[in-house]
Amino acid sequence: GQNIDQPTEMTATEGAIVQINCTYQTSGFNGLFWYQQHAGEAPTFLSYNVLDGLEEKGRFSSFLSRSKGYSYLLLKELQMKDSASYLCAAFTGGGNKLTFGTGTQLKVEL
Amino acid sequence: ETGVTQTPRHLVMGMTNKKSLKCEQHLGHNAMYWYKQSAKKPLELMFVYSLEERVENNSVPSRFSPECPNSSHLFLHLHTLQPEDSALYLCASSQGGQGAPVEQYFGPGTRLTVT
Repeated sequence: GQNIDQPTEMTATEGAIVQINCTYQTSGFNGLFWYQQHAGEAPTFLSYNVLDGLEEKGRFSSFLSRSKGYSYLLLKELQMKDSASYLCAAFTGGGNKLTFGTGTQLKVEL
Repeated sequence: ETGVTQTPRHLVMGMTNKKSLKCEQHLGHNAMYWYKQSAKKPLELMFVYSLEERVENNSVPSRFSPECPNSSHLFLHLHTLQPEDSALYLCASSQGGQGAPVEQYFGPGTRLTVT
């Protein structure tokens, strides 16, 4: 079956760096996506990795190790508006299918 | 209108009612999706339509019936629902061929409460 694991909650300080980990066990794996979801709003795309390594997009970076079934999302220079749920999702080909984790609720404090 | 829109945003219905959720994408995409999001649970994929053909049905009960009349519109017809069907129903769309990782764009969702 498909299994995605990520921590339920994390707390970090404004201006700091936080790393949200995600491990996955899926068949037909073809990429790893990260989404941000504020309460009551739609998930919005942050980044995705197909190959091993680090992808950087401004304050957000995402890393993938396919051999370890592991990814992380790195958020730098945290701002209060970064308080949200961060969803890890594995893409499996043949049907455009995304399998989501339960999400990590990040709280940014002063 | 831009992106993916969903109506209604909130819906309260009794177990014997029939209602429909509507999704429209203004992005020129060729695939559309229905997801269910319940508290403390992962987003669950319900249906996938690609080029207006249903390509995925994740063992969803028959009281949920999708319809995709064209590549821009997607409906979810609801009848004789149960209280445990109360959730946020999200629509998404994407562009791309089979098998290639593509970003999905989500609508704001319909918050459904079954009484």
